[in-house]
Amino acid sequence: GDSVTQMEGPVTLSEEAFLTINCTYTATGYPSLFWYVQYPGEGLQLLLKATKADDKGSNKGFEATYRKETTSFHLEKGSVQVSDSAVYFCALSGNNNAGNMLTFGGGTRLMVKP
Amino acid sequence: DTAVSQTPKYLVTQMGNDKSIKCEQNLGHDTMYWYKQDSKKFLKIMFSYNNKELIINETVPNRFSPKSPDKAHLNLHINSLELGDSAVYFCASSQGIGAGRADTQYFGPGTRLTVL
Repeated sequence: GDSVTQMEGPVTLSEEAFLTINCTYTATGYPSLFWYVQYPGEGLQLLLKATKADDKGSNKGFEATYRKETTSFHLEKGSVQVSDSAVYFCALSGNNNAGNMLTFGGGTRLMVKP
Repeated sequence: DTAVSQTPKYLVTQMGNDKSIKCEQNLGHDTMYWYKQDSKKFLKIMFSYNNKELIINETVPNRFSPKSPDKAHLNLHINSLELGDSAVYFCASSQGIGAGRADTQYFGPGTRLTVL
């Protein structure tokens, strides 16, 4: 079945540091890929997505590129802020998934210190 | 206006009880979902539902059942609650349904269920 693996946290960075959170996936066909973010005490929000190979999703300074050859969708940001502290989830929606259900990775907690 | 809302926010109950969590979306979406998030933050889909089709994750016990009075609501009923049901339950909705769609899912704030 489909699966998503992302780096375990927590990831602790100083403000303005460069961020990378690794995400790799296993799926049949050509899934759509997503990054969701969960701020403390809240539900998940879509951060960015990509629907085909070599697409780059971007939002709020975050970027991720759909790499089919390495089955990866790593999240990056050039300069993190304290307000970016949250849990980040990589997810996929498989092409054979009639229910449009998302398969999530285990989440990576990011803590940004001033 | 809250796009996806859930009630209650917190639910504490005894083992063996039956409880419900309500979810409403005002986005006009066709599809709604229930997810379970365990204590380690791992998220797992439970159900996907639109007005024509219910798709159940095969690992979900049949003590859990979704009930939809109309397109804007999807409630989660849980019978004979067990300790392992303690988790945060998230409702979500999206525009459509079908294989290969990349619709954004909008999540509610979650319901923290504690079974004693």
